[in-house]
Amino acid sequence: KAGVTQTPRYLIKTRGQQVTLSCSPISGHRSVSWYQQTPGQGLQFLFEYFSETQRNKGNFPGRFSGRQFSNSRSEMNVSTLELGDSALYLCASSLAKQARTNEQFFGPGTRLTVL
Amino acid sequence: AQTVTQSQPEMSVQEAETVTLSCTYDTSESDYYLFWYKQPPSRQMILVIRQEAYKQQNATENRFSVNFQKAAKSFSLKISDSQLGDAAMYFCAYRRSGAGSYQLTFGKGTKLSVIP
Repeated sequence: KAGVTQTPRYLIKTRGQQVTLSCSPISGHRSVSWYQQTPGQGLQFLFEYFSETQRNKGNFPGRFSGRQFSNSRSEMNVSTLELGDSALYLCASSLAKQARTNEQFFGPGTRLTVL
Repeated sequence: AQTVTQSQPEMSVQEAETVTLSCTYDTSESDYYLFWYKQPPSRQMILVIRQEAYKQQNATENRFSVNFQKAAKSFSLKISDSQLGDAAMYFCAYRRSGAGSYQLTFGKGTKLSVIP
């Protein structure tokens, strides 16, 4: 079974641009979460989607948004990029059938560099 | 809000020796999950071990075991017979129980080096 895939793996943008990152969860997984990883702040939760609905959101500005499609694939968008948005963006998927047995599987991440 | 603290930014261990990574957390919940994730230089985050708060028995996965002290809110990871492939960043993480969210709260991580 294929793991979580994220595209693109690397991205370079300039300040003020916008970017869209994609995440394909493991087949059958219905929950997708996004995390931002930076050397200074560590791993921070961005948002979580389940059955096309955002059910949890971290403490990030409105420039960060996301969505989930009917096939559970998810995208996140960052508008008006700032230098501080440079980070590794990780996506994690979960089966989301029984809470006690759920485990999150992470993708390889997208490395975003903002110049 | 829940917080997770890893007080050791870096640690090193000789190959074949044992090392313990520390983690403390703060929560008002009584039912939750705790995890240790490994992130090697390839950046792929891998689950090492999981502990359910309602279980008193410490989790074990091959060379990896935890010491879960619920009252002290402590959750340390012991790696026995360390191997070169164990070199990585290790993150302690917390998740509330229940089906409402699978959000993980991570510590800042501990960079583990394995010396041949």
